[in-house]
Amino acid sequence: QSVLTQPPSVSGALGQRVTISCTGSTSNIGAGYGGYWYQQLPGTAPKLLIYGNNNRPSGVPDRFSASRSGTSASLAITGLQAEDEADYFCQSYDSSLGEGVFGGGTKLTVL
Amino acid sequence: QVQLVQSGAEVKQPGSSVRVSCNPSGGTFTTYGINWVRQAPGQGLEWMGGIIPILHTTNYAQQFQGRVTITADKSTSTAYMELSSLKSEDTALYYCARGDGRHPPGAGVFDVWGQGTMVTVSS
Repeated sequence: QSVLTQPPSVSGALGQRVTISCTGSTSNIGAGYGGYWYQQLPGTAPKLLIYGNNNRPSGVPDRFSASRSGTSASLAITGLQAEDEADYFCQSYDSSLGEGVFGGGTKLTVL
Repeated sequence: QVQLVQSGAEVKQPGSSVRVSCNPSGGTFTTYGINWVRQAPGQGLEWMGGIIPILHTTNYAQQFQGRVTITADKSTSTAYMELSSLKSEDTALYYCARGDGRHPPGAGVFDVWGQGTMVTVSS
């Protein structure tokens, strides 16, 4: 069982908007740690997508955005494109465990 | 652009140990940390532990305490992850990922990832 909870899968049509939730607790996201978001395309290493206050590394399109509220974080993708089909992971640090923690991952299917 | 380059795939017997290396090509550790994350086939990401070489600080996930050792050689800017008492369930891709040295290993963002090292545990 992951400390951070994500839906196993989401889907959306080309051009649509989807959101992926990441539910934590008061010892991780709720304590202000993360949540950061990573994209993992099939057969590749994870790549940082969003960090800090909705910051995107160079090269990540502004179609990707993130927000945080209480003990949850969410990733929004607008104008869905075929190349967005991937697994998405949220990440935080749990102060009770003293460990880095990941969500179980969400598989995005673009219809 | 710094890349993290990991050592090659390994096949190990149950009960043995494996050591995976991670080297930042085109740079050094400086003030960064190195974290290790594994991914079993078809599964999610699992943080194993990390090190901040300049501070000699390590932190391990409880699940791996006693079985994992993470070290760093500052002279060669190489980080190592050694996992002992291997079981078939340890068959996975092992990634190193650069972290923010201002935070404990496991905290902060992982902004650069290695290509992954496949470790297969089989008799």
